Formats: sequence, C-alpha cells, structure tokens
Amino acid sequence: AQSVTQPDIHITVSEGASLELRCNYSYGATPYLFWYVQSPGQGLQLLLKYFSGDTLVQGIKGFEAEFKRSQSSFNLRKPSVHWSDAAEYFCAVDQKAAGNKLTFGGGTRVLVKP
Amino acid sequence: EPEVTQTPSHQVTQMGQEVILRCVPISNHLYFYWYRQILGQKVEFLVSFYNNEISEKSEIFDDQFSVERPDGSNFTLKIRSTKLEDSAMYFCASSEARQGTDTQYFGPGTRLTVL
Repeated sequence: AQSVTQPDIHITVSEGASLELRCNYSYGATPYLFWYVQSPGQGLQLLLKYFSGDTLVQGIKGFEAEFKRSQSSFNLRKPSVHWSDAAEYFCAVDQKAAGNKLTFGGGTRVLVKP
Repeated sequence: EPEVTQTPSHQVTQMGQEVILRCVPISNHLYFYWYRQILGQKVEFLVSFYNNEISEKSEIFDDQFSVERPDGSNFTLKIRSTKLEDSAMYFCASSEARQGTDTQYFGPGTRLTVL
C-alpha cells in the first residue's frame, strides 16, 4: 500500500543543536513532497516542497530537506534549532496524478530543551 | 499575509446532531479542501472542491458529509448526524490551482467533540 512514514513520534533536542526528521514514502513514482509544521493553536504551515531538480531544497525558518530517490526519503534538517522550533512536523506527498490530494505521515513532535 | 480562517475553534455536540464547520479560504484561491485528524492518527484527506462541485472525495466522505460554498467567501463542511467516531480536528485548506505543485494553505482547525 502507498504510504508516508515518519519513524520518530517524538524527538527532544537541545537548543542550538542540529535536528533531522525522517520521512519515507512508498509510491511507484516520485511524488511531490512537502514538509509542514504545526505550532500549538496554529494551522499547518508549509516549510518547503520538492517537485523536481536540485534534490536539496531550502525552506523557511532555516530548514532544508534532501530528496533521496534511492532511499525514497525526504528528510528535514536544521543546523541549529531555536526554542521556537518546538512544534509538530508533518511530511506529506502528492501523487501528482491525484489532483493535489495530500497524504500525510503521522507527524514528529519536536521538543526543545533550553 | 493572507490566511485561512476557521470557526469555531472547538465544537462540542451530541451524537446524532448536525454540525457545520466553517472556513474562509484565501480570497483569490479557487480550490478548497477538508482534511481531518483523529487524535493520535494521521491527517487524512476528506474532499476537494472547485467551481461549486466536489472534485474528489475519500472513502471517509460518505453521505453523512457535505460541502458547500454558500457565498463568495465561506466554505462549509456539514456532518448530518454526528457519530462518536467523527470526533477529530478538521482542517480546511485552499490553493490557487489544482496542480500538485500548488501549495495548500491550511487553517488552524476546528476541534469537534461528539459526546
């Protein structure tokens, strides 16, 4: 079955440390790939997206993600986290032919220690 | 920056009652969506809507659900006779176009609790 997997439900990281959130997808062809963030009481905000071309994508708030076709992965990274990065992060895919219907991973909740 | 808004933020209802969840999409957007997230589960697509009709719907979106754009600004999701399992966070989203490359902008959600 086609799916999006975020293996880590919770991650705790110290402020200033680096962060990497994992995302794997299972689709026949490369879908469009997205990372969204949800802060408490807020909607889902798009961090970045990958459609084609350069496999390293820069997003807002200092985040980047790398698409690796061989691993069917689209991991999100940030070199130095800030306390305001504490939130839930969702990886999502659009199967291109599915008409802009997003399929989400289960989310990873990030806690930032002072 | 334009944003999608949703009302109410929290709705509590009795099983069997009808509820209407409201959304105001971004003003120049033409495509509208509803997603839901049951507590502890993934965000799931429910329906997409364009030009006053449903473009696509998931198997979740059965006859108990309906969507409407009653005027030029609102987009609503109606659940006719709520069940306990309808308790979830419901997210509205909108996009300018329906290409997979087009960003969907999400609202903050309405938490529906069915008692």
